[in-house]
Amino acid sequence: SQKIEQNSEALNIQEGKTATLTCNYTNYSPAYLQWYRQDPGRGPVFLLLIRENEKEKRKERLKVTFDTTLKQSLFHITASQPADSATYLCALPSSGGSYIPTFGRGTSLIVHP
Amino acid sequence: NAGVTQTPKFQVLKTGQSMTLQCAQDMNHNSMYWYRQDPGMGLRLIYYSASEGTTDKGEVPNGYNVSRLNKREFSLRLESAAPSQTSVYFCASSVLSGRGEGEQYFGPGTRLTVT
Repeated sequence: SQKIEQNSEALNIQEGKTATLTCNYTNYSPAYLQWYRQDPGRGPVFLLLIRENEKEKRKERLKVTFDTTLKQSLFHITASQPADSATYLCALPSSGGSYIPTFGRGTSLIVHP
Repeated sequence: NAGVTQTPKFQVLKTGQSMTLQCAQDMNHNSMYWYRQDPGMGLRLIYYSASEGTTDKGEVPNGYNVSRLNKREFSLRLESAAPSQTSVYFCASSVLSGRGEGEQYFGPGTRLTVT
């Protein structure tokens, strides 16, 4: 099964800076990778999906990259705002051909005004 | 659309008691899932249902049972609650593309404490 690593330490940044979060995986290369946002006391909310043949995907201030050689995805938030403070989870198929996602433990982002 | 709804929002049980967590979605999704989330452990899949009439075990199924009542509803039952089942439970649903991808829509969660 897939093993996913996300930095367990919170990322603290100043408002206006770019936040970069990392998701590393250790086993097979997934066909796609997803990013979710979770606010305290709420369920995760889907943000972006990137496929293995896509190097980069953007949505408003969000950018995701996918490097199958490094087995890594980077999640960027440009011009960060205090409202971006949340925990961000990455998710990958649990095994080859599976549609069942396995979630990373998430990284907490704190944007200071 | 209400999306994914869960009841109850909070519950306290004594060890050995039973209860059913309810989940419903109004997005006409085929697939539904139950997760638990514990501090430092992330989301772990308990059971899932690929379509109406089917259910399968996930990563941590012991101590739980599920019922896919119809396309909209997927319930999770704890027959004899244990303190180790203290957690936040999330229900989710998804519609799968032809590639097998599917963004998941989550409910607000049920916070369960077993004493």
